[in-house]
Amino acid sequence: AQTVTQSQPEMSVQEAETVTLSCTYDTSESDYYLFWYKQPPSRQMILVIRQEAYKQQNATENRFSVNFQKAAKSFSLKISDSQLGDAAMYFCAYRSRETSGSRLTFGEGTQLTVNP
Amino acid sequence: AAGVIQSPRHLIKEKRETATLKCYPIPRHDTVYWYQQGPGQDPQFLISFYEKMQSDKGSIPDRFSAQQFSDYHSELNMSSLELGDSALYFCASSPGTYNEQFFGPGTRLTVL
Repeated sequence: AQTVTQSQPEMSVQEAETVTLSCTYDTSESDYYLFWYKQPPSRQMILVIRQEAYKQQNATENRFSVNFQKAAKSFSLKISDSQLGDAAMYFCAYRSRETSGSRLTFGEGTQLTVNP
Repeated sequence: AAGVIQSPRHLIKEKRETATLKCYPIPRHDTVYWYQQGPGQDPQFLISFYEKMQSDKGSIPDRFSAQQFSDYHSELNMSSLELGDSALYFCASSPGTYNEQFFGPGTRLTVL
């Protein structure tokens, strides 16, 4: 079974600065997706960014980018020019492309605080 | 754009009672997933359906059952409720099983 680990329960950043959230995962598969989801106080799950394992290029979505290291099984999220609205719980998630069902397996989450 | 609809949004039940949660996927989405998020925890996968057939099963208690109907909406039935069932229950939908999952707003279940 796949596992996802987020070793930073809490992180904080000053507004307009950059912060990196860490995620590692364990799998024996070679074909999969990785995601970062944001959960603000409303508890809505919002997809931030996704990465296909077969792609070497790191995904980027505006101020959000990832550092995907497949051999190291590492998938970190970098938030540039942090804004107050970025404050939320961030979950790293794994989804297989090799087994049926395509369930999401989440990490424990990192609570991000943005200080004005 | 249409989103995933979950009802009710909030539900309060007593121990040993029964609850039914409903999920209406985005139009033309044929796959539905259910997740349970306990207080301070990450979401845990319960069960999924593709084209009205169960496609995957996770850590869903035997007291829970679910199905997907001909119009693709899904219902999660929970019986003999326990205090530990208090959680936020998310439904997500996708067009096919390998595409992005879009989450609903969740149903907050409180068991007293």
